[in-house]
Amino acid sequence: DAKTTQPTSMDCAEGRAANLPCNHSTISGNEYVYWYRQIHSQGPQYIIHGLKNNETNEMASLIITEDRKSSTLILPHATLRDTAVYYCIVRAISSGSARQLTFGSGTQLTVLP
Amino acid sequence: EAGVAQSPRYKIIEKRQSVAFWCNPISGHATLYWYQQILGQGPKLLIQFQNNGVVDDSQLPKDRFSAERLKGVDSTLKIQPAKLEDSAVYLCASSAAVGVRADTQYFGPGTRLTVL
Repeated sequence: DAKTTQPTSMDCAEGRAANLPCNHSTISGNEYVYWYRQIHSQGPQYIIHGLKNNETNEMASLIITEDRKSSTLILPHATLRDTAVYYCIVRAISSGSARQLTFGSGTQLTVLP
Repeated sequence: EAGVAQSPRYKIIEKRQSVAFWCNPISGHATLYWYQQILGQGPKLLIQFQNNGVVDDSQLPKDRFSAERLKGVDSTLKIQPAKLEDSAVYLCASSAAVGVRADTQYFGPGTRLTVL
């Protein structure tokens, strides 16, 4: 699976949009971009994933560049409860059973009041 | 829908003792994972089950760690004997075998192990 690079930490003001970048310059054509987050003392939580088109769900939006070498997770109106470590993971959708997630160190997002 | 359940939530043992963790996945989820998360790092996969068979245990320290998933539902992870470096949070996750969301993993709250 392709490796990802994320900033170690970011701050965001409450109510503003949080834009979390991820670089995955070695991504392959069959690899998806996944985002998970981990709130303190909890297990990771799935947020969103995409292949090449931008995606939006009730939690966030995912913007993937045309060359697919980078992406941005957008939390449109960050709240204090969005303070967490955000993991960007690149992985091929498997038709078999190997659906492992390889986590990096992620980005610590702190939403400030 | 009930989430992934894990117990205990916390455990403190001395080195060379043994310990066991339990996981109950989301009902109907065929795939179950155990991860180890050391403080300040992302989770690392230890073992993956598909139903009651092992798919990947390449990162499981087999000299001291063992896991089983009898009847393809609940799973236990055991450490015997524990070392200081085993202090970590042990996370269990599950995912559906097929379908649109088959590659989405749902995590439990984890068990925090402290080895003294």
